[in-house]
Amino acid sequence: EIVLTQSPASLSLSPGERATLSCRASQSLNTFLLWYQQRPGQAPRLLVDDACNRATGIPARFSGSGSGTDFTLTISSLEPEDSAVYYCQQRSRWPLTFGGGTKVEI
Amino acid sequence: EVQLLESGGGLVQPGGSLRLSCVASGLSFSDYDMSWVRQAPGKGLEWVSAIHGESATYYADSVRGRFTISRVNSKNTLFLQMNSLRAEDTAIYYCAKHNWVDWGQGTRVTVSS
Repeated sequence: EIVLTQSPASLSLSPGERATLSCRASQSLNTFLLWYQQRPGQAPRLLVDDACNRATGIPARFSGSGSGTDFTLTISSLEPEDSAVYYCQQRSRWPLTFGGGTKVEI
Repeated sequence: EVQLLESGGGLVQPGGSLRLSCVASGLSFSDYDMSWVRQAPGKGLEWVSAIHGESATYYADSVRGRFTISRVNSKNTLFLQMNSLRAEDTAIYYCAKHNWVDWGQGTRVTVSS
């Protein structure tokens, strides 16, 4: 099973600041890595697929990068509504797995 | 607009069974692989099971041998049969289409005596 390790577990930033979230895989994923945002009481919302492709309707301040085992989600200028938990997920190999999440507080 | 609507959750005793359903609309259901993903209270997301094409199925180690995923394409419905339920299966269960954009709102399963 591929283990995804997200860091940091949480971070607290101010509006307008930049957030950098990390996801490290125990095996190479090529670019088969997704990022989600989840607000309390809501289903996950896809932000980025294939490591760097923003999903339809996702603001440009969200960007993904990386390949192999190291991936990053960057939120360039935080908005208050970006307070949420962010998860990475790999779809490279079965079983699919999620990272433990990073909580972003603004 | 794609809609996924889960049902079948509830309170069940340890060792019991439940069958979850996910009815899809607004898509050609048979064209898509589907997954179940769960989230225990206050915890992160955990992938549970997927059905790939007509019949290839995959499971997390934590549920293999106890849960069975299936689908009826003519009814646009995905199922998750859950047997031998344990307290640690308590979670919100989401169905998701494998574009990973479309998710249901979840159905809550509580395993408790």
